Amino acid sequence: GAVVSQHPSRVICKSGTSVKIECRSLDFQATTMFWYRQFPKKSLMLMATSNEGSKATYEQGVEKDKFLINHASLTLSTLTVTSAHPEDSSFYICSADPTSAPEVEQFFGPGTRLTVL
Amino acid sequence: AQSVAQPEDQVNVAEGNPLTVKCTYSVSGNPYLFWYVQYPNRGLQFLLKYITGDNLVKGSYGFEAEFNKSQTSFHLKKPSALVSDSALYFCAVTHSGAGSYQLTFGKGTKLSVIP
Repeated sequence: GAVVSQHPSRVICKSGTSVKIECRSLDFQATTMFWYRQFPKKSLMLMATSNEGSKATYEQGVEKDKFLINHASLTLSTLTVTSAHPEDSSFYICSADPTSAPEVEQFFGPGTRLTVL
Repeated sequence: AQSVAQPEDQVNVAEGNPLTVKCTYSVSGNPYLFWYVQYPNRGLQFLLKYITGDNLVKGSYGFEAEFNKSQTSFHLKKPSALVSDSALYFCAVTHSGAGSYQLTFGKGTKLSVIP
């Protein structure tokens, strides 16, 4: 099956610093990638939809200046949490869509655990 | 707007017994329904989906789900639970023809299989 990787798997940073998370589709090209945030014992909250070569589409309530998304190629999307604060601590998961067809399942990365001290 | 409800936060079942994880949905148009499983500190793994055709869908690891249009449900089932099935299960929906293929997830159901 299709493989999506995320790096790093876990990161601890100080408040006020920025953190970059990479999402890569390893064996397929993904026109669209999605970024989710998952709180403990909660469902996944879609943060933004990332399309290669264009600006990301952010969900209502998600600060685009704080969560910078860059989809530089068909296999790489990055999420940068700028000026991180403790409330940004969460589990961030990306997914990649190989076909842009709704009937095809998305493939998810293993997630990145962000802890802001 | 589309939505998914998973009415049970947790399901406990004895090993070897059948299991059911419930999911109901609301969507305009034809639904595309998915089940994903998440193990601790991991991403989601695809289990199965319903797009069209046979209402009973078979997926990975012996799981199956039944699409019921009249009840707008897509319950996940397995005839005989394994301890290794213990995980967090998510139902998700999208739909055809809307030009948007964002998945809407339920809040998840924690399945615990007791040895």
